[in-house]
Amino acid sequence: GEDVEQSLFLSVREGDSSVINCTYTDSSSTYLYWYKQEPGAGLQLLTYIFSNMDMKQDQRLTVLLNKKDKHLSLRIADTQTGDSAIYFCAELTDSWGKLQFGAGTQVVVTP
Amino acid sequence: GAVVSQHPSRVICKSGTSVKIECRSLDFQATTMFWYRQFPKQSLMLMATSNEGSKATYEQGVEKDKFLINHASLTLSTLTVTSAHPEDSSFYICSARDDQGVNEQFFGPGTRLTVL
Repeated sequence: GEDVEQSLFLSVREGDSSVINCTYTDSSSTYLYWYKQEPGAGLQLLTYIFSNMDMKQDQRLTVLLNKKDKHLSLRIADTQTGDSAIYFCAELTDSWGKLQFGAGTQVVVTP
Repeated sequence: GAVVSQHPSRVICKSGTSVKIECRSLDFQATTMFWYRQFPKQSLMLMATSNEGSKATYEQGVEKDKFLINHASLTLSTLTVTSAHPEDSSFYICSARDDQGVNEQFFGPGTRLTVL
């Protein structure tokens, strides 16, 4: 079945760029997503990319998609302390909207 | 952006009782909603897909008689945990798919259930 993998932890200094990586296995996925979860809260949709795109930029966020390697990354420019959270990548697995999530990457921003 | 609410945000109940959790899409219609369960420091596990006006589709290993889902309108889905036990304690999160969106799914803030 589908499996989405992420590194579990990332520490970054305030002001630096963060890069969170994700690999997926379902080559037919049409949409890939990045969600942010703060402690005790639900998931906030940060951005998504359609499978026919290589890159999408939205303010401080840049998503890169390498379909050949099934690799997705999220770059956060000028990382702030408010960016500390868990980041989940997810792939759309069917037409009803079912998502397959990665395990989440804990991002800790240090001053 | 689109807002999804959940009620209650946290609930503590005795073993054997039933608990109902509501998920509402506040400013959009959602024919399809999803219910997830999240254990501490783990990812989201999809429990079931809720479709307005029809029976929910449950994932393998999820007991449909224990986790009752009702999606009676385009803005409301409910999850009832029946005869709750301590092992049902978890963080339950719903999401709603915007009928007018492009595969955008918005999540509620979650409900923390503790069964004593």
